[in-house]
Amino acid sequence: GENVEQHPSTLSVQEGDSAVIKCTYSDSASNYFPWYKQELGKRPQLIIDIRSNVGEKKDQRIAVTLNKTAKHFSLHITETQPEDSAVYFCAARGSYIPTFGRGTSLIVHP
Amino acid sequence: GAVVSQHPSWVICKSGTSVKIECRSLDFQATTMFWYRQFPKQSLMLMATSNEGSKATYEQGVEKDKFLINHASLTLSTLTVTSAHPEDSSFYICSAEGTRHTYEQYFGPGTRLTVT
Repeated sequence: GENVEQHPSTLSVQEGDSAVIKCTYSDSASNYFPWYKQELGKRPQLIIDIRSNVGEKKDQRIAVTLNKTAKHFSLHITETQPEDSAVYFCAARGSYIPTFGRGTSLIVHP
Repeated sequence: GAVVSQHPSWVICKSGTSVKIECRSLDFQATTMFWYRQFPKQSLMLMATSNEGSKATYEQGVEKDKFLINHASLTLSTLTVTSAHPEDSSFYICSAEGTRHTYEQYFGPGTRLTVT
């Protein structure tokens, strides 16, 4: 089955800095890679996703890059704000079942 | 659009009793629903996948007789925790995928289960 590794587990940045979270996957058949943001006690919310026919996707301060050859994809958040503080999960999907990374706790210090 | 509700949002029950959690897609039809369990500061652990009108597919290590899943319609799936024990206390989250088969999942708000 699919195996998704996510790093780092914790990321602490100053407000205004950029944050990068990286994930690797094992199944070359995976073709859908979403990123979710989860605030404490709340539901995961899709913030951006990318499919395997695209190398990069951007939505305002958030961008995702995908390297299919190396089987890794990354989330980039620029100009971080305190409200970006949350746990971020990556996921990979190719077969029937989505596989999630372990999560990254992002802390943005004002 | 793409709203998923979950009920109840929290429940406290006594050991040995059963608890039913409902997951509804409010504005779309969900061909597939997933049930997850999440421990504090941990990732989402997939428990089972359910398709409308068919039996759920359980992940390895998940007891199907303990966690009963019913996907009765394209907008409703239920998870029943039978004979609950304190170790079943957790945050249970459902998600739903629409009929467009785009792989986009929409999560419910979760149910906090505490078994005393």
